[in-house]
Amino acid sequence: DAGVIQSPRHEVTEMGQEVTLRCKPISGHDYLFWYRQTMMRGLELLIYFNNNVPIDDSGMPEDRFSAKMPNASFSTLKIQPSEPRDSAVYFCASSLGGAREKLFFGSGTQLSVL
Amino acid sequence: GESVGLHLPTLSVQEGDNSIINCAYSNSASDYFIWYKQESGKGPQFIIDIRSNMDKRQGQRVTVLLNKTVKHLSLQIAATQPGDSAVYFCADLEISGGSYIPTFGRGTSLIVHP
Repeated sequence: DAGVIQSPRHEVTEMGQEVTLRCKPISGHDYLFWYRQTMMRGLELLIYFNNNVPIDDSGMPEDRFSAKMPNASFSTLKIQPSEPRDSAVYFCASSLGGAREKLFFGSGTQLSVL
Repeated sequence: GESVGLHLPTLSVQEGDNSIINCAYSNSASDYFIWYKQESGKGPQFIIDIRSNMDKRQGQRVTVLLNKTVKHLSLQIAATQPGDSAVYFCADLEISGGSYIPTFGRGTSLIVHP
């Protein structure tokens, strides 16, 4: 398996623009997580899905953030409109069987909002 | 291994030395802990886990020790190699949306000098 695949690897955009981050989890995994990593706050859980259904989105910072998982092999995280404080590395991770299984992380998307 | 301000705690060692990375947790009800390694430009990668009914668990060149009395765990790396240079995170499971989800500490940066 190729592992968790995220795209793009790097995204530079201007404040106010829409940003869409993409994730393909490992085939067969039933949990998908979106994390954000910054120096100030470390790794923060934004939202997670189980069997394509959002379970907890309490970590999503604002209504500007939304996430979808239309099928078992694809998820998106959208920021609209983007702001400079959204600049961070966004990671997608998947796991099998829930939280007690180890998470497999993608390589992340480095987002810079100017 | 909790960070202070904007800088991660850093441990510098010589190649061949043993490394000990520490982590404190606050939730006395936590019963499962995980260590992850994050190399530069990559997502975190699972190293080893331990359940609260154990005090020690060994893997390949790594040992995790758990002291529930003082809510502390440590990751010991034997014969540290340059390839071990990375940020190391401990994580426990926190309830979120009815499931237990990994919640990460801020991390410790390990620098191995050849």
